[in-house]
Amino acid sequence: DTGVSQNPRHKITKRGQNVTFRCDPISEHNRLYWYRQTLGQGPEFLTYFQNEAQLEKSRLLSDRFSAERPKGSFSTLEIQRTEQGDSAMYLCASSPSVGANNSPLHFGNGTRLTVT
Amino acid sequence: QKEVEQDPGPLSVPEGAIVSLNCTYSNSAFQYFMWYRQYSRKGPELLMYTYSSGNKEDGRFTAQVDKSSKYISLFIRDSQPSDSATYLCAMSYSGGGADGLTFGKGTHLIIQP
Repeated sequence: DTGVSQNPRHKITKRGQNVTFRCDPISEHNRLYWYRQTLGQGPEFLTYFQNEAQLEKSRLLSDRFSAERPKGSFSTLEIQRTEQGDSAMYLCASSPSVGANNSPLHFGNGTRLTVT
Repeated sequence: QKEVEQDPGPLSVPEGAIVSLNCTYSNSAFQYFMWYRQYSRKGPELLMYTYSSGNKEDGRFTAQVDKSSKYISLFIRDSQPSDSATYLCAMSYSGGGADGLTFGKGTHLIIQP
């Protein structure tokens, strides 16, 4: 399967714990995005990487959230001191750099986080 | 007012019917328009990708963009039970680059066999 891969698929954690998710993009895609989706809503943009550089962060990304893409390949999203409001599906997407910015995003199947 | 408005449904139609899904938006700077299909507990899957106004057809799917009315549509012909899913419209200034995508809430579509 050459699609976007996310692990784990589901994470259950207690409030206050730290969690880390991993995303492996499509291999030739150098752009990587993180989105968050809550029940009944569309995905909301969190952050964007061009290769290893984090170029854009949404105001939704509080100080407890940090994302990395150290070698320009896979990415991790860490949430520290989780809160119940962090419960959501965390989606990763990737796209190629083709000319300007007009490259559609391809999403993985997400990591579903449940904070108890 | 949200930037992108989409009726969440559910929309229930019999198999074989033509389905019409739509979104309205408020920001005239949006240039790229997409439709994604999302099955339960899965990620969004890209269906259609269009730039500016006009129509685009791909198999049973037709996407329409009317920038003057800030209105986009997705038509599904000969609908099948396997089309039952949530359909998300999305748009961006730059086709999905640094500005990210702005999504609607999604419309839950049910095709009755």
